[in-house]
Amino acid sequence: QSALTQPASVSGSPGQSIIISCTGTSNDIGNFNLVSWYQQHPGKAPKLLIYEGSQRPSGVSNRFSGSKSGNTASLTISGLQAEDEADYYCCSYAGSSTWVFGGGTRLTVL
Amino acid sequence: QLQLQESGPGLVKPSETLSLTCTVSGGSIRSSGYYWGWIRQPPGKGLEWIGSIDDRGTTYYNPSLKSRVTISADTSKNQFSLRLSSVTAADTAVYYCARHDITMIVMDIGGWFDPWGQGTLVTVSS
Repeated sequence: QSALTQPASVSGSPGQSIIISCTGTSNDIGNFNLVSWYQQHPGKAPKLLIYEGSQRPSGVSNRFSGSKSGNTASLTISGLQAEDEADYYCCSYAGSSTWVFGGGTRLTVL
Repeated sequence: QLQLQESGPGLVKPSETLSLTCTVSGGSIRSSGYYWGWIRQPPGKGLEWIGSIDDRGTTYYNPSLKSRVTISADTSKNQFSLRLSSVTAADTAVYYCARHDITMIVMDIGGWFDPWGQGTLVTVSS
């Protein structure tokens, strides 16, 4: 069971849109669509952003959206804001009642 | 509002057993359909799922840790616990507990962790 692959860092200017990718294999993302995404600010616990691939919990801005194509899931953040600067993680079911996270992506708002 | 709180020693010696407890308030760990999970994060690194326990007490573990991990639940105290044996410096991490929601849609399976505890740092050192 290997960690899902995410870019180490992405950046964008306020107001722009960015996409964070999360690449797995046919054993995880390729076979299971219902990826979850988390936001983590320094020194804080992760916060759920997206579940079931594209659903947002109550209170999460509609600027965050999730999608999937093949073995890659994506998190799109539109209308980038300063407070979006954080680490982002994806998570997928990996079969046999196991779960795997991505390595994480550091988002910098320029 | 469901809240989770980790507790346990912040320092563990190499080769010994790490033991942590997660106390759940605002809801019951016996709630049908919910799992309860442990996730860890080494300093400066990413998240790693350790394992989860369901409402019937069935456990599920990360294959890479399975030989050293035990997760159990005490429904009378509304707590679930983690034991990790034979620890080394590589087990130094912030350990989080979280409610683990599972969903099955047709042939698809998903899950998410929410809410999370604040996390507790466990350092393995002599």
